[in-house]
Amino acid sequence: ETGVTQSPTHLIKTRGQQVTLRCSSQSGHNTVSWYQQALGQGPQFIFQYYREEENGRGNFPPRFSGLQFPNYSSELNVNALELDDSALYLCASSLAWGRGNEQFFGPGTRLTVL
Amino acid sequence: AQKVTQAQTEISVVEKEDVTLDCVYETRDTTYYLFWYKQPPSGELVFLIRRNSFDEQNEISGRYSWNFQKSTSSFNFTITASQVVDSAVYFCALSENTGNQFYFGTGTSLTVIP
Repeated sequence: ETGVTQSPTHLIKTRGQQVTLRCSSQSGHNTVSWYQQALGQGPQFIFQYYREEENGRGNFPPRFSGLQFPNYSSELNVNALELDDSALYLCASSLAWGRGNEQFFGPGTRLTVL
Repeated sequence: AQKVTQAQTEISVVEKEDVTLDCVYETRDTTYYLFWYKQPPSGELVFLIRRNSFDEQNEISGRYSWNFQKSTSSFNFTITASQVVDSAVYFCALSENTGNQFYFGTGTSLTVIP
């Protein structure tokens, strides 16, 4: 069974640029959630995708967008990067949304915005 | 308002001591789920336990035990005979039945000193 994988591991961008982060869900999981974890903080929910559609969104501006593909892998896109976007971005997959299904997390992508 | 509160920011114990990590949650749902995750320095969140709101039985898994008390909205985590490998940041999280996101606390950084 393959776990959740994310790419790239680290990324450095400058303010105003755009970035795409990628996630492959665990085998058999059809739901992917994205979280932002600032240094010293807990993960904050960005959004969730279920069967290729956005299925809930946290308090993040529209410049944070995503996609889910038929194979359930997912992308997180961030436009017009700001310094405060520097964080660890975590992807989590689960069997289905709701019902308290445990989420399995990937190793994260560390984004630094200069 | 914070849905999950982990008041202990940092804890240091000497190896073999017992340690309890506190978690207090807030929800209006009658059905909800509570989780504990471990985040070692590598960054990946590791699932430890899930508990639903209808099951208040305490659980023990090896050196780990969890005390769930609905009356005080707490879900505390105890590590018995701590080991250096237990050093990590531990997060408590809440998932409500009506939603699809996890609400994480700010984490407790545990350092076990040899």
